[in-house]
Amino acid sequence: QSVLTQPPSASGTPGQRVTISCSGSRSNIGSNGVIWYQQLPGTAPKRLIYMNDQRPSGVPDRFSGSKSGTSASLAITGLQSDDEADYYCAAWDDSLNGDWVFGGGTKLTVL
Amino acid sequence: QMQLQESGPGLVKTSETLSLTCTVSGGSVSSSSYYWGWIRQPPGKGLEFIATIYYTGNIFQNPSLKSRVSISIDTSKNQFSLKLRSVTAADTSIYFCASEVSSSEGFDFWGQGTVVTVSS
Repeated sequence: QSVLTQPPSASGTPGQRVTISCSGSRSNIGSNGVIWYQQLPGTAPKRLIYMNDQRPSGVPDRFSGSKSGTSASLAITGLQSDDEADYYCAAWDDSLNGDWVFGGGTKLTVL
Repeated sequence: QMQLQESGPGLVKTSETLSLTCTVSGGSVSSSSYYWGWIRQPPGKGLEFIATIYYTGNIFQNPSLKSRVSISIDTSKNQFSLKLRSVTAADTSIYFCASEVSSSEGFDFWGQGTVVTVSS
């Protein structure tokens, strides 16, 4: 059972806009920035979004992030077949001594 | 561009200690800019944080693994290491090492991951 809650799956057709949600609590998303990772099959995770809505250099602006209260969302516009991957949200959790918590992951299928 | 590479045995016997090393290139484990961490992924499942360490020796750990985990830094070899004691089949995973920029910026560079299987 993951600390952050994501839908297990999402799908869309090429060109569409899809969103993936991530729900947490006051000690993680409510207090700290949200990070989104993309994991293509057989590869290591890649950071897509940090500090809720910031894109590292090289990440297309088709990917965007937002946060409100204890929830966050990742939006992908102009969906492409290459976007088919697992997406994970993460946040620092201030409870106990502090540690990273992740969502269970959302498998995005491009139909 | 920083690169990280995990190394260690791919097979560990039940109840023994899993030991992995991450070698960093293009950056320094003595840098004040990064924490150095381990994350794992059981087959077909999601990501799980294990621990991170700062060059000063400051450590953060997953509470559920804390009693079995040791993490250390070797500045002379530009490496950091993980030990997980008393392993069971539930510890079978892909183990990734990664660099953490901050608690708001997450892990920016990752190793390719190494598969560790626990079996009797």
